Amino acid sequence: QQPVQSPQAVILREGEDAVINCSSSKALYSVHWYRQKHGEAPVFLMILLKGGEQKGHDKISASFNEKKQQSSLYLTASQLSYSGTYFCGTTPGPARQLTFGSGTQLTVLP
Amino acid sequence: DSGVTQTPKHLITATGQRVTLRCSPRSGDLSVYWYQQSLDQGLQFLIQYYNGEERAKGNILERFSAQQFPDLHSELNLSSLELGDSALYFCASSVVGTGPYEQYFGPGTRLTVT
Repeated sequence: QQPVQSPQAVILREGEDAVINCSSSKALYSVHWYRQKHGEAPVFLMILLKGGEQKGHDKISASFNEKKQQSSLYLTASQLSYSGTYFCGTTPGPARQLTFGSGTQLTVLP
Repeated sequence: DSGVTQTPKHLITATGQRVTLRCSPRSGDLSVYWYQQSLDQGLQFLIQYYNGEERAKGNILERFSAQQFPDLHSELNLSSLELGDSALYFCASSVVGTGPYEQYFGPGTRLTVT
């Protein structure tokens, strides 16, 4: 079952913060986050496993609430390079395939 | 550069034709995944191979087939093409076939069916 991402699109100014949410109606084992720039390949950002851990690198971090079956991606002090479409992918178990959400288009303006 | 290569970059063909898309995984990766991305749509998982064997199937049409060769490169064959098959086709690879491991995507093949 495809996870639901929100919002569908967001526009912000350089330096502002953004949150992208990913939720599922089914129990989740892992959540994967990717960023795709227009016409390019998706690029891996991070994986979160059930257990409620939070991960991050640089100014991008994410959390995973397994009880609520949802994950949030936090972009702090956005940079122009953060623009792109963010996809979450979820798995219901350790040996199951990724199912991607429909994406959140993030535009960072100068 | 993810280390995953895909050829060709662009492909234009007519309805009813057959095409083959090629993918070479990152060095050391045993697993190959194929995805379809239609215009402004998400990534639809098609099929996965691990070390030469089919591991998982997603929303892959019967007109589509794939295989992974002993040198681990993979080919996706699309036949009896329809206009709706026009899309970006991505190949991704990972080290292992199961578990929550990151997938590295190739640059994609843009297929246009006219």
